[in-house]
Amino acid sequence: GAVVSQHPSWVICKSGTSVKIECRSLDFQATTMFWYRQFPKQSLMLMATSNEGSKATYEQGVEKDKFLINHASLTLSTLTVTSAHPEDSSFYICSAKGEGRGGRDEQFFGPGTRLTVL
Amino acid sequence: AQSVTQPDIHITVSEGASLELRCNYSYGATPYLFWYVQSPGQGLQLLLKYFSGDTLVQGIKGFEAEFKRSQSSFNLRKPSVHWSDAAEYFCAVVPSNDYKLSFGAGTTVTVRA
Repeated sequence: GAVVSQHPSWVICKSGTSVKIECRSLDFQATTMFWYRQFPKQSLMLMATSNEGSKATYEQGVEKDKFLINHASLTLSTLTVTSAHPEDSSFYICSAKGEGRGGRDEQFFGPGTRLTVL
Repeated sequence: AQSVTQPDIHITVSEGASLELRCNYSYGATPYLFWYVQSPGQGLQLLLKYFSGDTLVQGIKGFEAEFKRSQSSFNLRKPSVHWSDAAEYFCAVVPSNDYKLSFGAGTTVTVRA
C-alpha cells in the first residue's frame, strides 16, 4: 500500500516549451502533496507544498509563475514547468501524505521524473 | 540554525562488512527522524523512522538506527552489507512544530567485492 506514481518518468523538451508532470497516489487519498527538486549528486530541495483544493505554498526562491502546481483532487497533483530552460533540467520528485497512512508526517515518494531541457 | 548533517559524503565498504552512516540534527526539540535510500535514478524508499519510544529502531533490508538524544544523532547501521546496498542514503527530519521534511546532504555508499 501507499504507492505514489509519477508520469512521465523522463522527458526531453525544447527550450521555451512547457512540461507537465503528474503525481498520483494510487491507493490512498493524499491530503497533502510535496514537490522536490534534486540536482545531480545533491539532496532533495522542497519546492512547494500543495493541499487539495487550495493554492500551493512555495518555498523561498521558487518562482510560482515558473512552476505551476495544481492539486485538483485527493489523488492527483501536477507540476507544470512553464517556458522551460536548460537550467530547469533536474530530477523532480513528488511525495504524498494522507490521513491514516503511515505514521504522523510520513511521506510516500514517487519514483521521480527526469527533465532535460535542450 | 536548524539543520540536518550527514558528515560523510562517500563511504566505501566491503561486501559482508558492517556499515554505519552518521546523522546529526540541530533542532530545539527532538524532531521526527527518518532514513531513506535512493538507488540511481529512482525515488526514495523509507528504511526506518523514529517518532518516540524505543531508541533502537529496526527497519527494512536489515537496517537499524539508534536515536541518541544526548548526541543529537540518529545513526544508521547494518551488520553485513550486500552489493545491492550500494546507493545514496538520506537522513531526514520533520521538526516537532512543522510538517516539512528537511534532508541531509546524503551519503553515497559504494560496496566493493
